[in-house]
Amino acid sequence: DQQVKQNSPSLSVQEGRISILNCDYTNSMFDYFLWYKKYPAEGPTFLISISSIKDKNEDGRFTVFLNKSAKHLSLHIVPSQPGDSAVYFCAASARDAGGTSYGKLTFGQGTILTVHP
Amino acid sequence: DTEVTQTPKHLVMGMTNKKSLKCEQHMGHRAMYWYKQKAKKPPELMFVYSYEKLSINESVPSRFSPECPNSSLLNLHLHALQPEDSALYLCASSQEWAGSTDTQYFGPGTRLTVL
Repeated sequence: DQQVKQNSPSLSVQEGRISILNCDYTNSMFDYFLWYKKYPAEGPTFLISISSIKDKNEDGRFTVFLNKSAKHLSLHIVPSQPGDSAVYFCAASARDAGGTSYGKLTFGQGTILTVHP
Repeated sequence: DTEVTQTPKHLVMGMTNKKSLKCEQHMGHRAMYWYKQKAKKPPELMFVYSYEKLSINESVPSRFSPECPNSSLLNLHLHALQPEDSALYLCASSQEWAGSTDTQYFGPGTRLTVL
């Protein structure tokens, strides 16, 4: 049962344009979401996160949007640069009814982003 | 500084060898993690240490043995591994385990090949 899904295995974008990476989740207990970028043979690099009390968080060229009712989040990269070419993982963490985190991240399968010069 | 370091970068070992992977962080984080990642797959959690105590073992085979000597160091001892254990082994740390935010910072990984 895949609780975090990234339905697009790959995305190709022209340099300077917007990249939009999507992520859907099924577990309504997820309340904290993260995006990581990963180059081949390297560890994931934390990019940006969002708490469920917000619907948007920005950091430079990266913006994450959260739609709780649709159980959907997206990462926007504007403008896209060739150095952004990597695998992007969406991850989520859940809390129990008492508000205690389970302390585990659930990752999506990743989307390969290619930004062409 | 959000750096997690891992050594070695690459490791090739036979099925009868004993080796260790090392991880270090100096961010004052109290939670440390081991993950395994196969090609084209997301990281899979193996172990979590919180305040130097093992908090989660995701039913990992006993041929993998974690150790947390102090709050900055995390080791993964390997013995009698199988070729299917070949993967990228990632260490991560976070400020707290099961805290108010769960942002984990990953090291560069150790690429392990079991012959």
